[in-house]
Amino acid sequence: AQTVTQSQPEMSVQEAETVTLSCTYDTSENNYYLFWYKQPPSRQMILVIRQEAYKQQNATENRFSVNFQKAAKSFSLKISDSQLGDTAMYFCAFMNMYNNNDMRFGAGTRLTVKP
Amino acid sequence: DAEITQSPRHKITETGRQVTLACHQTWNHNNMFWYRQDLGHGLRLIHYSYGVQDTNKGEVSDGYSVSRSNTEDLPLTLESAASSQTSVYFCASSEWLAGPYNEQFFGPGTRLTVL
Repeated sequence: AQTVTQSQPEMSVQEAETVTLSCTYDTSENNYYLFWYKQPPSRQMILVIRQEAYKQQNATENRFSVNFQKAAKSFSLKISDSQLGDTAMYFCAFMNMYNNNDMRFGAGTRLTVKP
Repeated sequence: DAEITQSPRHKITETGRQVTLACHQTWNHNNMFWYRQDLGHGLRLIHYSYGVQDTNKGEVSDGYSVSRSNTEDLPLTLESAASSQTSVYFCASSEWLAGPYNEQFFGPGTRLTVL
């Protein structure tokens, strides 16, 4: 079974600086999808960014980008120009390409952006 | 706008009682999911459904049941609540069976406390 590991339970960053959240995963599959979700204090789960494993190019969404290292099974999230509104729990998730229900989440990283 | 709602948002119950958490989506999605979120575990899949009259067990299904009588609703029932079921419960829905853009949309969550 696939497992997702987020080794940083908590992180903090100063406003306007850059922070990188780590995620590693374990799978025997060659094709899959990876996601980062944001969960602010409201508890709403919000999709931040997605990456297809068959694409070599790293995904970017405005201030959010990923560093996808398929061979190392690593999928880190970089947040540039951090804003106070980025304060949230961040979850890394793995989804089997052919099986929608097989979605595994990491334990999460609590990010605090300090003014 | 289409949305996914959960009720109640907070619930306190006693050990041994039957509890039902409601989930309603207006996306007209075929797929619906129930997750529980616990500290240190991220989100774990309880049950899922691919359509009316279809239900399947997830990773942590013991003590839970679901039924799908229409497209919009997937209620989650705890047959005899236990303290180990104290958690935050999320409902989600998605449109297709697979694909990177088969995003799961999450409800706001229900915080359940079993005393």
